[in-house]
Amino acid sequence: DAKTTQPNSMESNEEEPVHLPCNHSTISGTDYIHWYRQLPSQGPEYVIHGLTSNVNNRMASLAIAEDRKSSTLILHRATLRDAAVYYCRSGFNFGNEKLTFGTGTRLTIIP
Amino acid sequence: KAGVTQTPRYLIKTRGQQVTLSCSPISGHRSVSWYQQTPGQGLQFLFEYFSETQRNKGNFPGRFSGRQFSNSRSEMNVSTLELGDSALYLCASSFQGSSTDTQYFGPGTRLTVL
Repeated sequence: DAKTTQPNSMESNEEEPVHLPCNHSTISGTDYIHWYRQLPSQGPEYVIHGLTSNVNNRMASLAIAEDRKSSTLILHRATLRDAAVYYCRSGFNFGNEKLTFGTGTRLTIIP
Repeated sequence: KAGVTQTPRYLIKTRGQQVTLSCSPISGHRSVSWYQQTPGQGLQFLFEYFSETQRNKGNFPGRFSGRQFSNSRSEMNVSTLELGDSALYLCASSFQGSSTDTQYFGPGTRLTVL
């Protein structure tokens, strides 16, 4: 099975950038890397995804290492509303048990 | 378009009972996955269905089962409930369950086993 690891928690000051890391030790060449976040009392919601190159959208940026064994979710200016648990996901190919989410990083934003 | 819905939202059962949870995916989505979430354990994968077939299964005992109907709606069943089954059960739908697909999660069903 794929193994995906994340730090348990991180803190950041409001309006400063946040870099959330994820290690994808057994990712395969065709697996996309996804990031989701879970606000209190809600199901996870999609943030961003990519395969090899860095990606940007209105919510965040995703930086993927050249060997794809790690990725970093970047929140450019954290707000209090970004306080959530962030999950990375790799390996969602049906037919074999590679589906895996990381254990999640609880992000605390300090006003 | 409407999001993923799960019913019921909250459920209280006693040990030994069984329970059925329901998930209605986003229209057009054919893949439905189920997850168990407990404090400190993150998202534990239960199983995934696509076009009424279970394609993938996590490491859970046989007491946990599921099915998917022709309209892509899915149910999961837990028989002989144990205290440790208390958790938030989430379902997620996607177009075809491939690595490129975004999953859309429902709000979850909070199950408490007494």
